[in-house]
Order: sequence, then structure tokens, then C-alpha cells
Amino acid sequence: NAGVTQTPKFQVLKTGQSMTLQCAQDMNHNSMYWYRQDPGMGLRLIYYSASEGTTDKGEVPNGYNVSRLNKREFSLRLESAAPSQTSVYFCASSESDLLSPVGTSTYEQYFGPGTRLTVT
Amino acid sequence: GEDVEQSLFLSVREGDSSVINCTYTDSSSTYLYWYKQEPGAGLQLLTYIFSNMDMKQDQRLTVLLNKKDKHLSLRIADTQTGDSAIYFCAEGGGSYIPTFGRGTSLIVHP
Repeated sequence: NAGVTQTPKFQVLKTGQSMTLQCAQDMNHNSMYWYRQDPGMGLRLIYYSASEGTTDKGEVPNGYNVSRLNKREFSLRLESAAPSQTSVYFCASSESDLLSPVGTSTYEQYFGPGTRLTVT
Repeated sequence: GEDVEQSLFLSVREGDSSVINCTYTDSSSTYLYWYKQEPGAGLQLLTYIFSNMDMKQDQRLTVLLNKKDKHLSLRIADTQTGDSAIYFCAEGGGSYIPTFGRGTSLIVHP
């Protein structure tokens, strides 16, 4: 049981380049999330997927796209990277009461180890 | 909208107790959480409290919840250098999108 895995761990991009951050979870969770973490800003939600087949914008979606490929995988794409997107990116997953009765889960989020992205 | 506030830094001496405070605005939260983030790692759940509880104790950790004031605290007894980390308060549960505070950096001096 690997939990939440993310690839790559580190990446350096030039302005204008594109890349996809990969995330997978093996806990059969319905909900998945992408966050960015910047010093003094805490965690900011970029996009989330409440269940397979749905995605929604979070607090800071501009410049990003996502794909919920299947229940396990949720990818984040930067089409044209900008220096402002230099950050640490975390994927997370959780159970939700969409399919689990209330009281059977604490709905905590499980986080991946993060991808450290630098855009020059 | 929902908001979770916590102070950014706390410095304590090894062996002392640490108290990290948090205030939140959404009274419909089912759970309130404390996550710990060690350097270079993702967040990991430390403990949680259900919204109908006032207190929860788990070894060196004590969580206090004051629903009337929407105030949550995490007390770490006998703080060790290994407790140095960023601690995030969060509220959510069920189909709610959780809201995180900005994190409190706990620095433990020998």
C-alpha cells in the first residue's frame, strides 16, 4: 500500500515549457486534490475532483488544467509555465460521504511527498 | 467564506509544553484536524477531533475545541526537537472541501 505517489520529485522548466505532474493513489478514494504551497501562503487549492469523472476549480486554477484519468490517477498540467508557478505541488486524496456513510470515515486527506518545481 | 487562522511561528524550549492555536469560521465543519509537515515532506494527519467533542487526548497531544468561540488548540507536552515542524489546522469532513490554515512553524530549542 503505497498511499499517494507523485512524479516527478523535482523539475526545472524554462518559461513557456509545458509539463504534466502525475499523481496516483491506491486507497480507492473518491476525492483527489492538487495544492500548491508557497512560503507564508500555506496550502492553496488549485483543482479538485470530488469523484471519478468530475473536476472543479479551486482557489488558484489559472494557468493549470487537470485530468481525472480514472479513480486512481489525477494529473496536473502546466501548458505554458511561468516563473510565478515556481512552487511545491502536493496531490492529496480522501474518502468522502458521496459513497461512504457519514461516521465510517474521518475524511482526512492523505498527501503525496510533493513535486518541487522551479520555472526560470 | 470559510477561513482558518493560526499564528505563523512558535518557539519553545525542549521539555516545555507547546500550544498552537487556531480559529475558524465555518460552524458546519464535521471534523477539525491537525496535520504535521516535516521538512521536505507532505502533510500527515497528526490528530483530529469530531465537532461534538470538547477535548481529545492522544499520548503527548491534547486537542481542545471551543465551539462557541470557534477556537481549536493543540498542546504538545514535553516537546522534543523531533517535534520541530509546520503544524496545519484544518476544518472539513464529509463532502466538504477542507480549508487549511497557513501553518504554524514550531521551533524547538535544545
